[in-house]
Amino acid sequence: QKEVEQDPGPLSVPEGAIVSLNCTYSNSAFQYFMWYRQYSRKGPELLMYTYSSGNKEDGRFTAQVDKSSKYISLFIRDSQPSDSATYLCAMKGAGKSTFGDGTTLTVKP
Amino acid sequence: GAGVSQSPSNKVTEKGKDVELRCDPISGHTALYWYRQSLGQGLEFLIYFQGNSAPDKSGLPSDRFSAERTGGSVSTLTIQRTQQEDSAVYLCASSLDRGMGALAKNIQYFGAGTRLSVL
Repeated sequence: QKEVEQDPGPLSVPEGAIVSLNCTYSNSAFQYFMWYRQYSRKGPELLMYTYSSGNKEDGRFTAQVDKSSKYISLFIRDSQPSDSATYLCAMKGAGKSTFGDGTTLTVKP
Repeated sequence: GAGVSQSPSNKVTEKGKDVELRCDPISGHTALYWYRQSLGQGLEFLIYFQGNSAPDKSGLPSDRFSAERTGGSVSTLTIQRTQQEDSAVYLCASSLDRGMGALAKNIQYFGAGTRLSVL
């Protein structure tokens, strides 16, 4: 079993929809939780970063961490076609980051 | 400033040939990572360099794969006797991994990758 499991997708939604992207993990030592966005033929870029449990909001994006359930989510409000990309969760304790396999999102105009 | 630079952006090679992929990290970043990403798949960790410490090679899939980092900066990933299953995008990332608080330590900045096709 992988340390990080990400909802596989792909996900297709109409413009304006609320999107929920999710990951579960098994390593209780993870303290840092990140979401990366990867456009086609580009490298991943950091989108959101949280430390320990709680919510963090940045514009239309909200990252949520529930350490008791070992579950993290990324919510996208009022989704736009420009949000179409692959979203990767990543987690880290004292060692190197561990990435999920990614969820590909398509937002249709 | 410049981001992580990888070259070449695309490489087509014949089965059995050796290839070298290059990564120029962000200046001052002490940590450097190599990942492999196959079509529609996640990031497969290959190797991690941190300062002067011995590299973490635990992700290298076979002894045909090797990497070095010269002078704590530029890194080269070498694949010997390439096989068709080596076809993938090879991504390099760098991070600060020390200094100005937890945020700086943990963000990885990625290059655009080298798309390797083995015929």
